[in-house]
This record gives sequence, structure tokens and C-alpha cells, in this order.
Amino acid sequence: QVTLEESGPTLVKPTQTLTLTCGFSGFSLDTSGVAVTWIRQPPGKALEWLALVYGNDDKRYSPSLMSRLTITKDTSKNQVLLTMTNMDPVDTGTYFCAHVESSSVDYWGPGTHVVVSS
Amino acid sequence: QTVVTQESSVTVSPGGTVTLTCTSSTGTVTPSNLPNWFQQKPGQAPRPLIYRTNNKHSWTPARFSGSLLGGKAALTLSGVQPEDEADYYCLLYDNGYRVFGGGTRLTVL
Repeated sequence: QVTLEESGPTLVKPTQTLTLTCGFSGFSLDTSGVAVTWIRQPPGKALEWLALVYGNDDKRYSPSLMSRLTITKDTSKNQVLLTMTNMDPVDTGTYFCAHVESSSVDYWGPGTHVVVSS
Repeated sequence: QTVVTQESSVTVSPGGTVTLTCTSSTGTVTPSNLPNWFQQKPGQAPRPLIYRTNNKHSWTPARFSGSLLGGKAALTLSGVQPEDEADYYCLLYDNGYRVFGGGTRLTVL
């Protein structure tokens, strides 16, 4: 049974760095074709794809946010971390992580809410 | 960066059939864009429906189907149910990264 769960601060100040953790179980990131991806959704707005990491450490980023994002994996802990620098109120929203296998984004975490405010 | 466009809102009658589309600013959507489709209801995480154009997950109701239509990715709902009222998002793969469409609000009325 594949499960994922996001965790991290619910409130960050403008200009601070956000670090989110995606803890997962039920799969191995070492399996070929398997990845973990991060997606966010501002309140009342559309989903936005952020980043993805494969077990071989191949990483992909949204071109528009690439300069602010870092995705890393800790296979021994079954975790994937997302770091976003220079946070702004427009970064407020729900952040999701999801399991990807053979190009299917098939299992999602419940999401974690992040508010950027001073 | 690629822009993916969907209808902003669509209304369908119960029992009817509706097709939602997903267009890429870079041109024709092909199987190599690996289209995924998701359904999202208020306060919930998105629910995957379709992957790689037309493949259903084990939990996807039979009335949902995916295809390529006129250079676009398409999601067709046949025999729409009231519980299908939701936001629908497509996701395309493009040159190493992925892009969501802006979503379609489906109203069943």
C-alpha cells in the first residue's frame, strides 16, 4: 500500500526558506521508473508542478521556479525534501507530494498548508 | 515555458456526455506528452483518473476515458453522474518537466 505524507512549517515569513518533507511507504525510490514529485496549489487556484526526483537522483524542476527550488532524497529514511528559497506571500498554498511510476502520477499525499506572512 | 490550456468551465446534464480538452502551447499533444488527468473536489487532494493518454487506474470509473483528439488530450465522461461535479486537471510532460493545465470546473446541472 503506497502512502505519502507531507510535513513542514505552516507559517513562514517573507524572504525565509521553506523546507518540506515527504515521507513515504509502500514503495522503493530505488525501483526503476519510480519518482517522487512535488506540486502546489494556491487557495482557489490551479495546480502547479514544482519538481521531481528519481531514484538515480535525476532531478527535474519547473523552469519558472528552478532558481528557488532544490529537491533531495534520503532513500534510507524514505523521504524526499523540497526546499524553496525567498518565500513570498504568493507562495501561500497547499503543497502536495506524489508517487510517480512509468509516467503515472498515481498516489498523492493529503497536502500540507503553508502560509507566507510577516 | 509551455502553457497548457483547458476550458475554464463546462456544464453538462446528468446522464449526458462531455469531453474536456487539454492544449499545449508548443503544438500538437502526442503520446510522448504522457497526458495524465485528475479530478479534484473541494478540500481534497487530486484523484488520478487517467495516465499515459488513455490508461485507467484500478479505481477509475468506466465512464471516464482518455484520448487524443484533434491535436489535444481529451477526457470524456459518458453517462455523467452528479458526483462527477468537480475540477479536472490535465498534466503534460514536455522536454523533461511537467506542466498542469489551468483546470476545468465541471458543473452537473
